[in-house]
Amino acid sequence: QSVLTQPPSASGTPGQRVTISCSGSSSNIGSNYVYWYQHLPGTAPKLLIYRSNQRPSGVPDRFSGSKSGTSASLAISGLRSEDEADYFCAAWDDSLSGWVFGGGTKLTVL
Amino acid sequence: QLQLQESGAGLVKPSETLSLICTVSGGSIGTTRHYWGWIRQAPGKGLEWIGSMYYGGSTHYNPSLKSRVTVSADTSKNQFSLKVSSVTAADTAVYYCARHEGTTVSTWFDSWGQGTLVTVSS
Repeated sequence: QSVLTQPPSASGTPGQRVTISCSGSSSNIGSNYVYWYQHLPGTAPKLLIYRSNQRPSGVPDRFSGSKSGTSASLAISGLRSEDEADYFCAAWDDSLSGWVFGGGTKLTVL
Repeated sequence: QLQLQESGAGLVKPSETLSLICTVSGGSIGTTRHYWGWIRQAPGKGLEWIGSMYYGGSTHYNPSLKSRVTVSADTSKNQFSLKVSSVTAADTAVYYCARHEGTTVSTWFDSWGQGTLVTVSS
């Protein structure tokens, strides 16, 4: 059972906009930034969003992040086949004094 | 370009010690101002932070694993390592090494290795 809760799966067709949610608590998302990663099995996870809504250089602006209270969301617009991957969220937890992660969401592009 | 590569035994017997090394290229763990950490993902489960270290010697561990885990650095080889003692089947996972963005453990992971599978079995 992951500390941060994500839906196990999501899907969309090319060109659509999909959102992936990440739910936590006051000790993690409620008081700290959220980070999002894209992960293709067998490869290194890639940082997509940092500090809840910032994109590293090189990440397309189709990817966006938001946070409200103890929940966060990753939105992917103009869905493309290469977006098919696992996505997971992360946050620092003040109670644990450590990092916590979501269980991951497998995105399928239909 | 920074690259991290995990290596170590892929099969460990129960009650023994799991040992992994993360080799860093494209950056120095001894001079760059970053924390370095380990994360794992058991089959069918989410990611779990194990622990992190700064080359100056500061370490932080997940309280649930703290009694069995050691993270340390060998700056001469530009490597850092993970040791988990008294392993059980529950320690079977893909283990990732990663770099923190900054000089505190609460900065995010900005670069990861591709992971290595460790199986605990007799």
